[in-house]
Amino acid sequence: DVKVTQSSRYLVKRTGEKVFLECVQDMDHENMFWYRQDPGLGLRLIYFSYDVKMKEKGDIPEGYSVSREKKERFSLILESASTNQTSMYLCASSSLGGTKQYFGPGTRLTVT
Amino acid sequence: AQTVTQSQPEMSVQEAETVTLSCTYDTSENNYYLFWYKQPPSRQMILVIRQEAYKQQNATENRFSVNFQKAAKSFSLKISDSQLGDTAMYFCAFMSNTGTASKLTFGTGTRLQVTL
Repeated sequence: DVKVTQSSRYLVKRTGEKVFLECVQDMDHENMFWYRQDPGLGLRLIYFSYDVKMKEKGDIPEGYSVSREKKERFSLILESASTNQTSMYLCASSSLGGTKQYFGPGTRLTVT
Repeated sequence: AQTVTQSQPEMSVQEAETVTLSCTYDTSENNYYLFWYKQPPSRQMILVIRQEAYKQQNATENRFSVNFQKAAKSFSLKISDSQLGDTAMYFCAFMSNTGTASKLTFGTGTRLQVTL
């Protein structure tokens, strides 16, 4: 089975801090995604990557950046965390041309 | 841009009964995929069922089936013989068949509670 893991289930950070959310998949998938999930808004795509060092903006990239130095790892970076970035963050991966996305357990981030 | 609409924020069904979750979408594309994903409380999101737009036959996975109406841009999920383990948030999602990666556009979700 595909396994997608995220570095933390819960994270509390202060406004202005730099925050790193890590995602690792073990199935050699080319595509990796970062979503945020908010009540009443569903999941919204922040960034995705289709290859090492390649990235594309999703629907809500403002305030975020990403890094993909290795195929199995995709990091989401909040350069200067703000309270409106308090949310659940979900990572997902899929194979090249594949339609099924495999999700991690999520990181609930609180920015105070 | 594609949009996905789920008009039922919450639903409830008794165990063993049947429930239908609604989803509509908007797109100008002809080839695409539609999905229902399930997110149980405090657990990971998993794929329930997938429909390819070019296939007229409705997809079925055990107790889960869809009613895909392409002209009406409607994609509802029917859960038969509901079980307590079906309690979850259900998301409808759209995927274009073009582009460099398979991006999903999600609806806002329907919270389903299965009761005794």
